[in-house]
Amino acid sequence: EIVMTQSPATLSVSPGERATLSCRASQSVSSNLAWYQQKPGQAPRLLIYGASTRATGIPARFSGSGSGTEFTLTISSLQSEDFAVYYCQQYNNWPLTWTFGQGTKVEIK
Amino acid sequence: QVQLVQSGAEVKKPGASVKVSCKASGYTFTIYGISWVRQAPGQGLEWMGWISAYNGKTNYAQKLQGRVTMTTDTSTSTAYMELRSLRSDDTAVYYCAREKSEVGFDYWGQGTLVTVSS
Repeated sequence: EIVMTQSPATLSVSPGERATLSCRASQSVSSNLAWYQQKPGQAPRLLIYGASTRATGIPARFSGSGSGTEFTLTISSLQSEDFAVYYCQQYNNWPLTWTFGQGTKVEIK
Repeated sequence: QVQLVQSGAEVKKPGASVKVSCKASGYTFTIYGISWVRQAPGQGLEWMGWISAYNGKTNYAQKLQGRVTMTTDTSTSTAYMELRSLRSDDTAVYYCAREKSEVGFDYWGQGTLVTVSS
């Protein structure tokens, strides 16, 4: 089973600053990696898929990079609405399974 | 617009079963899969399993094998998740999500709180 490890657990950032979140896979997942944002009391929202492709309607300040086992989500200039928990997720084509990381909370500094 | 609307909150006793529904609208139901994801209070996201709305094929998370069953009713564009032999650590918000191939979970239901308590 592939294990996804996110770091840090909590990231304190001031509005307008850059945030960099990491996700590591226990074995290569190629580019089968997505990022989700979740705010309190809400369902998660898809941000990035294929490691670097923004989902429909996602602002350009969100970008994803990486392949294999190391991935990064960057928020170039944090807005007030970006303070949330972010999850990475890998998917396996056979058998068709998905695994989430434990999440990174981005909080206001 | 795409919508996934889930059934309401449930309270169950340990050992009982729960069945949560997820009614889809705004797209062709049989083109996509549906995954179920749960989130225990204050915890992260846990993928539970996936079902093809096209042919009913399923894949379940190993830890839930034998306790979970996912089905669909294409006549009503509704997906179902049944979890049996409930334990207190099954207390969670249960989400359905539309799975788009090579993309991920692009639309989510609003969540259903299942509380397991004696």
